[in-house]
Amino acid sequence: SAVISQKPSRDICQRGTSLTIQCQVDSQVTMMFWYRQQPGQSLTLIATANQGSEATYESGFVIDKFPISRPNLTFSTLTVSNMSPEDSSIYLCSVEDGRGGYTFGSGTRLTVV
Amino acid sequence: KQEVTQIPAALSVPEGENLVLNCSFTDSAIYNLQWFRQDPGKGLTSLLLIQSSQREQTSGRLNASLDKSSGRSTLYIAASQPGDSATYLCAVRTGGSNYKLTFGKGTLLTVNP
Repeated sequence: SAVISQKPSRDICQRGTSLTIQCQVDSQVTMMFWYRQQPGQSLTLIATANQGSEATYESGFVIDKFPISRPNLTFSTLTVSNMSPEDSSIYLCSVEDGRGGYTFGSGTRLTVV
Repeated sequence: KQEVTQIPAALSVPEGENLVLNCSFTDSAIYNLQWFRQDPGKGLTSLLLIQSSQREQTSGRLNASLDKSSGRSTLYIAASQPGDSATYLCAVRTGGSNYKLTFGKGTLLTVNP
């Protein structure tokens, strides 16, 4: 199955700033998925990124807050904009593994102070 | 709307013990079910993927079963080791064309030496 390189692995950011998270996949994939995991909670899908089209956002998530780029079939970025302490979470990217299951990146642990 | 519940929320066992983690889901029309392991602050590692037509999958000391009609899955870990300490997440994919995963909140497992 695909291998995903995600970075940064962690960061501590000041409120009001933005952080861009990158995911690089070792094979071409149609869809890439971005998730958020708030402290003590399970994973919630933020958006689905298709190459060549605008990302599709889930209810409660908006493009102005979480802009996504998908310039090619192996790469995507998620930006967390104008951060507040409530954005402190683990952010993960994911792709389908070819068998109907999913592979995840190593996660970005974000702390906003 | 699919809901996934994992019981217990936390489990502490002595090394060498066999244990069972439980996952239940409300909509039995699933495409597949996937068990993941998550170490603190990290991404997800896929453990086992069970397709809707399968009853169980095995990998090493791990065995996952699926009873679609009753909306249940179990993850059996044999001869537990301290290295098995992690959070175990169950995720359900509902429908083949529906790529979305619904996650449980996980079971935090601690295996004591």
